[in-house]
Amino acid sequence: DTEVTQTPKHLVMGMTNKKSLKCEQHMGHRAMYWYKQKAKKPPELMFVYSYEKLSINESVPSRFSPECPNSSLLNLHLHALQPEDSALYLCASSQRDRESPSGANVLTFGAGSRLTVL
Amino acid sequence: AQSVTQPDIHITVSEGASLELRCNYSYGATPYLFWYVQSPGQGLQLLLKYFSGDTLVQGIKGFEAEFKRSQSSFNLRKPSVHWSDAAEYFCAVGINTGTASKLTFGTGTRLQVTL
Repeated sequence: DTEVTQTPKHLVMGMTNKKSLKCEQHMGHRAMYWYKQKAKKPPELMFVYSYEKLSINESVPSRFSPECPNSSLLNLHLHALQPEDSALYLCASSQRDRESPSGANVLTFGAGSRLTVL
Repeated sequence: AQSVTQPDIHITVSEGASLELRCNYSYGATPYLFWYVQSPGQGLQLLLKYFSGDTLVQGIKGFEAEFKRSQSSFNLRKPSVHWSDAAEYFCAVGINTGTASKLTFGTGTRLQVTL
């Protein structure tokens, strides 16, 4: 299995709803990521988990709450979002590349979850 | 801090023509460089990567890229473009953060292919 699977593919929610995005990989990767991508923009890093611990939070508002229940799963809990949070949310996982002498990671991305906040 | 510049927002080429997408980076040390492709509404697919060594790297789908340290560039090329290559292309620089990596993406180049 060489994929990162994200569910749901599409999500519409109101500003008072609570929802979650899910991400799963079975490649044995020990780092997992959440990126946010607005229309016609590049992806922007939100969170990084390394060995199931949060290692990077790019000053993301608390209405986004990540969770890594185990090494294969990554969730993004959503609460009290704003319409400007509408975007494509991309999950990725990575491992050190054997070709890299200094252990660079190569990220594998999922297809994304398209979120619309009304 | 690292940064990536893709000077061309939109490029149109004819099917069968050659392609070169430009990427310039700014990073103090030897960079890890990547090209990703994204079809509409989809995730990102890795085309190729550069860590060190041979400056000409081969990727999937017939793409190649050349690392030029003197020009801080990592341009993507393809000798003959197919209609299915129409997509958004992102250049990225990566830095290690312990057991993970942070990718900084350029703003992307949208490729349109005319028949």
